[in-house]
Amino acid sequence: DIQMTQSPSSLSASVGDRVTITCRPSQSIRNYLNWYQQKPGKAPNLLIYAASSLQSGVPSRFSGSGSGTEFTLTISSLQPEDFATYYCQQSHTTPPWTFGQGTKVEIK
Amino acid sequence: QVQLVESGGGLVKPGGSLRLSCAASGFTFSDDYMNWIRQAPGKGLEWISYISSSGSTIYYADSVKGRFTISRDNAKNSLYLQMNSLRAEDTAVYYCARERCSGGICHRVLGGYFDLWGRGTLVTVSS
Repeated sequence: DIQMTQSPSSLSASVGDRVTITCRPSQSIRNYLNWYQQKPGKAPNLLIYAASSLQSGVPSRFSGSGSGTEFTLTISSLQPEDFATYYCQQSHTTPPWTFGQGTKVEIK
Repeated sequence: QVQLVESGGGLVKPGGSLRLSCAASGFTFSDDYMNWIRQAPGKGLEWISYISSSGSTIYYADSVKGRFTISRDNAKNSLYLQMNSLRAEDTAVYYCARERCSGGICHRVLGGYFDLWGRGTLVTVSS
C-alpha cells in the first residue's frame, strides 16, 4: 500500500499568513493527489484534485502543486474560516486509496 | 438538492452486525462510483470500500475484508455497507462519498476524488 506522509502534523498561524502543507507518498503517484479540508464535527470537503485543480466553489487562495512523490497545498492568505484539519489522499492504481495523517491548522 | 444521507449507525456489541445505508439525491446515482470512508474518534480518515457504478467491481481495505460487504441498489438510489463480526476498532463515523474524475463521471478506477460526502453516521462497538 502507498503510505502518505504529511508535514507538519500541526501548525499555528495568524490570519493573513501564507501556509504551506506538504504531502509525500511512499512511491510515485503521478498527479493522482487530492486535498480535503475538515472542520470539527463535519464531513471532509474537497479542495484540490489531480494535484493542482481547484474544486468548484473553493476560494482561489487555495492552490496545489507537485507530482510524483512531493506535493504541496498552499493557502496564500489564511482566513478565519480556514482553521481546520487538512488531508491529502492518493488515488493511484487500484485501491486501497490512502490518506495522509492530517495537518491541523490552528490560530496563533 | 445534491446530497448523500447516511443512516443505520448505532451501538452494537463486539461480534455483532449492522447495516449502513446511504441515500443519494439530486444526481444520477447509477452513473457514479461510490465509496465508504470512516474516521475513528479523534483520528484521521480511512478509506474502506469502493463499488463501481454497476456494482460489478468492488474493493475493500484489508482491515474490513471478509467482514464488510458493500452493495448498491441503483433503482433505489442507495448504497449499503453490511458490517459483520464488528470489533471495538471499527468504532468510527462512517461516511459515504461519491467519486468523480477529471472531466466528470469516472470511467476507470484510478485518478478519482471524493467530491460529495454525507454527514456521516456513528458506529460504536462496545460491550
